[in-house]
Amino acid sequence: GQSLEQPSEVTAVEGAIVQINCTYQTSGFYGLSWYQQHDGGAPTFLSYNALDGLEETGRFSSFLSRSDSYGYLLLQELQMKDSASYFCAVRGDTGGGNKLTFGTGTQLKVEL
Amino acid sequence: KAGVTQTPRYLIKTRGQQVTLSCSPISGHRSVSWYQQTPGQGLQFLFEYFSETQRNKGNFPGRFSGRQFSNSRSEMNVSTLELGDSALYLCASSLEATGGSYEQYFGPGTRLTVT
Repeated sequence: GQSLEQPSEVTAVEGAIVQINCTYQTSGFYGLSWYQQHDGGAPTFLSYNALDGLEETGRFSSFLSRSDSYGYLLLQELQMKDSASYFCAVRGDTGGGNKLTFGTGTQLKVEL
Repeated sequence: KAGVTQTPRYLIKTRGQQVTLSCSPISGHRSVSWYQQTPGQGLQFLFEYFSETQRNKGNFPGRFSGRQFSNSRSEMNVSTLELGDSALYLCASSLEATGGSYEQYFGPGTRLTVT
């Protein structure tokens, strides 16, 4: 099966940098995604890594190490609006196809 | 371009009843996935449809079923509702099912409460 681990909660101050880690177990790995979800809102796509390395999109970066089954989301210049839940999700083989499995989410609280 | 729409947004049902939820994907998207989100279990994959065919299925009982129409709109049905089915049901669409874009666009969800 597939499983992911990420911290349940992270707190940081406005303007700081925060890293949210994600370790995963899956067979037939396709890629690791990150989604952001504000309270009461729908998840929104942030990034996708299929190959090792760092992908940068504005203030957000995502890293993947396939050999370590590990990735992280890096948020720079934190803003209050970044307070949300962040989910890592892995796409892997399920035997009959492939599916996207989400972690349980990391609640990020940005404080003044 | 209009986003993913889901109807209804809120629903209250009684144990034993059945419910049908609807999802309209972004125009041009052929893949629709359904997820159940609860505080305790997080986002759990229900099933994925592509071109009217179920491509993948999660670990949910047979009471949960779905289908996709030729216009890519999808419905999911839950029969014999249980209290534990109370959750936010999210639909997500993407351009391709496998091997292509993995960016999924989520709808606002249907909040189902079973009493």
